[in-house]
Amino acid sequence: AQKVTQAQTEISVVEKEDVTLDCVYETRDTTYYLFWYKQPPSGELVFLIRRNSFDEQNEISGRYSWNFQKSTSSFNFTITASQVVDSAVYFCALSDSWGKLQFGAGTQVVVTP
Amino acid sequence: EADIYQTPRYLVIGTGKKITLECSQTMGHDKMYWYQQDPGMELHLIHYSYGVNSTEKGDLSSESTVSRIRTEHFPLTLESARPSHTSQYLCASSDYSPVGRLNEQFFGPGTRLTVL
Repeated sequence: AQKVTQAQTEISVVEKEDVTLDCVYETRDTTYYLFWYKQPPSGELVFLIRRNSFDEQNEISGRYSWNFQKSTSSFNFTITASQVVDSAVYFCALSDSWGKLQFGAGTQVVVTP
Repeated sequence: EADIYQTPRYLVIGTGKKITLECSQTMGHDKMYWYQQDPGMELHLIHYSYGVNSTEKGDLSSESTVSRIRTEHFPLTLESARPSHTSQYLCASSDYSPVGRLNEQFFGPGTRLTVL
């Protein structure tokens, strides 16, 4: 069975600080996909990033970066120079090759001016 | 920009009513999904479909049913709504890239259902 753990329930930062969200996953599949989604107060889920199990290259996209470590089954996500608009719930999710998503419990990020 | 739509956005109904939550996508995606989410909580997969005439139950048991008669349409039905069905229901769709890698799921805006 697949499992996603987001140990941080809530993170509060002041604007311009960096925020790192932790995600640990469990799966027996050799091919899988990892995602980060953002859910603002409006309730919609916004896709942020995707990583395939066979590609451990870490990247930066604008203010977002991620650290995928298969050895520790972690897929951490960092927002650099946070802004008030980054305030939302962030979900880490794990998918098998058929596309069934297993979500973590989410981390509430609060960015204050 | 993802083109996936859900109606209604908000629904308040009485116990025992039959309801259908609509979900449509214009991207031609074969895979479609329904998730249930209580406020501030994680999402749980309740139904999914890999194409026309294909429907499966998800990891979270649900009294709802779904159908997939057309690629673009994936409605969810509750025959007799109860207060325990009060939740947000999110529809999503996805597909594979040309090289066979799974793409991200695009989500609709959700339907907030309240059963009195």
